[in-house]
Amino acid sequence: NAGVTQTPKFQVLKTGQSMTLQCAQDMNHNSMYWYRQDPGMGLRLIYYSASEGTTDKGEVPNGYNVSRLNKREFSLRLESAAPSQTSVYFCASIYRPLNTEAFFGQGTRLTVV
Amino acid sequence: TQLLEQSPQFLSIQEGENLTVYCNSSSVFSSLQWYRQEPGEGPVLLVTVVTGGEVKKLKRLTFQFGDARKDSSLHITAAQPGDTGLYLCAGGANDYKLSFGAGTTVTVRA
Repeated sequence: NAGVTQTPKFQVLKTGQSMTLQCAQDMNHNSMYWYRQDPGMGLRLIYYSASEGTTDKGEVPNGYNVSRLNKREFSLRLESAAPSQTSVYFCASIYRPLNTEAFFGQGTRLTVV
Repeated sequence: TQLLEQSPQFLSIQEGENLTVYCNSSSVFSSLQWYRQEPGEGPVLLVTVVTGGEVKKLKRLTFQFGDARKDSSLHITAAQPGDTGLYLCAGGANDYKLSFGAGTTVTVRA
């Protein structure tokens, strides 16, 4: 049982380059999330998808776009990477409603130089 | 400004001591969750509290949800080195928007 799978695990980008972080879950969860984690900041919500076909902004959406490709997959795209986007990115999924457990992927460590 | 404020940011104690971590907000939550995260891993759920005034115990960990459902605390009794980690509280601004506090890094020295 894979749970939540994120790819890649590590990535180095040059400023201005673009990339897509992939996330897939095999638990038949309805809601999916993208967070970034920086030292001393905890997890900050970038975007979330309450259900297939819907996406909404979180606390720090600027510079990012998302696609809920189907119920299993939720991708995060950086169109023009900036050094300020250097962070560890986590994808999570929840069945529904909100007070059930959120399951997280292993994270993607992204460095923008 | 984060929706959920955690304190303290760092806590270093000796094995056997007790500790308390706080999670506060000006907003009312239908539920609050506590997660623990170890280096290189994603957070893992410890507990969900739903009812105002609720107290839940998980071995040496005691979780409390404030009567007004705006705050919560995590108390660890007789801490052990295995309790070392980042403790995060989380709550929903709406039914689907799950936000986290900045976390408390706990270090238990043997």
